[in-house]
Amino acid sequence: DIVMTQTPLSLSVTPGQPASISCKSSQSLLHSDGKTHLYWYLQKPGQPPRLLIYEVSNRFSGVPDRFSGSGSGTDFTLRISRVEAEDVGVYYCMQSIQFPPLTFGGGTKVEIK
Amino acid sequence: EVQLAESGGGLVQPGGSLRLSCAASGFTFSDHYMDWVRQAPGKGLEWVGRTRNKGRSYTTEYAASVKGRFIISRDDSKNSLYLQMNSLKTEDTAVYYCARVRWGDYGHFDYWGQGTLVTVSS
Repeated sequence: DIVMTQTPLSLSVTPGQPASISCKSSQSLLHSDGKTHLYWYLQKPGQPPRLLIYEVSNRFSGVPDRFSGSGSGTDFTLRISRVEAEDVGVYYCMQSIQFPPLTFGGGTKVEIK
Repeated sequence: EVQLAESGGGLVQPGGSLRLSCAASGFTFSDHYMDWVRQAPGKGLEWVGRTRNKGRSYTTEYAASVKGRFIISRDDSKNSLYLQMNSLKTEDTAVYYCARVRWGDYGHFDYWGQGTLVTVSS
């Protein structure tokens, strides 16, 4: 199984400041179809996860442009350009290149200072 | 609007069985693969299993932790997804989410239900 490792475990950010979360996979997520199967989800307190970013850098419908994703191969980053209070929650990366199983990172908790 | 609504959670004793349901609306259910994902209290997300669509003969896949105990099925006429959980263990205690898969086996989850809590305890 592909292991997804997220850092840091938690992050405390001042509103308006940037934030960055790293996700590393144990194997390359680049498929022969040219796509890289890395996704980011945000789970706000008491809610189900919701999709933020698909295929490394594509924002899902309705996701604010302060969220961006980058990376390739085995190293990926989610960036929030200016953190807002509504961005608190746990962020998860997920891979789908090797299925089954789908695997998630352990999560990064973002809180506001 | 895509909506997924789980039901059927509750308290069950170790070794017991429970059946979860997920009612889908707002999209063509029969077109999509559908998954179950769970989250133990205070823990991260764990993929449980998948049912593919009619075009892929409704084939299923399971996580190693539930294989042989859980069965995923669907009824396209009722826009419903099911998770039959047998031989339940205390470590199966979790919120169970159904999720819609976008773009097949290399795809991802674009919509999730609110989840239903399953507690396995004596």
